[in-house]
Amino acid sequence: DAGVIQSPRHEVTEMGQEVTLRCKPISGHNSLFWYRQTMMRGLELLIYFNNNVPIDDSGMPEDRFSAKMPNASFSTLKIQPSEPRDSAVYFCASSFTGTSGGGTGELFFGEGSRLTVL
Amino acid sequence: SQQGEEDPQALSIQEGENATMNCSYKTSINNLQWYRQNSGRGLVHLILIRSNEREKHSGRLRVTLDTSKKSSSLLITASRAADTASYFCATDANSWGKLQFGAGTQVVVTP
Repeated sequence: DAGVIQSPRHEVTEMGQEVTLRCKPISGHNSLFWYRQTMMRGLELLIYFNNNVPIDDSGMPEDRFSAKMPNASFSTLKIQPSEPRDSAVYFCASSFTGTSGGGTGELFFGEGSRLTVL
Repeated sequence: SQQGEEDPQALSIQEGENATMNCSYKTSINNLQWYRQNSGRGLVHLILIRSNEREKHSGRLRVTLDTSKKSSSLLITASRAADTASYFCATDANSWGKLQFGAGTQVVVTP
């Protein structure tokens, strides 16, 4: 049974370039979350989707960041243009959330995409 | 901003010893969860405790929750070298799965 799949695992790019991170959630899960992890700030929730609809994007740092979920099996996080301070590990996680908010509660994380912006 | 704060930040123990780490949070919660992260890997869910529960066990893990003190503890009994990892608490305020993570406790278990 495949878990959450993220790509690429590692990305090194130069400042100003566009970066696209991809995520395939676990089949049957209807909530998807993008987190960013750095030593300085720990794990930060960037955005989350429920049934492909963005519910809360208050954690997105600025307009350079955008996320989409065109269907239940795919999501992207795009940074354009990238800056050195965007260097971090970006995690995608998925879960099942019921219509009234109930669900198993636990998140299933991918292995992360380590981004380095030079 | 982070909801949970773990204590200690780092813990070094020998195999067979117990490891205890604590988590404090600021606002009311629906549930509190603990996750483990091995170096260079994603987070793995360990255990969930709901706001109306006080204690929960899973294998060698024991979690307690004190909502009056807004705190939780994770105990790993008879630790093994494979338990070496970072451990994070995460709070869910509304059961929608939007978790706020603490800074984590780095645990090193030496053989």
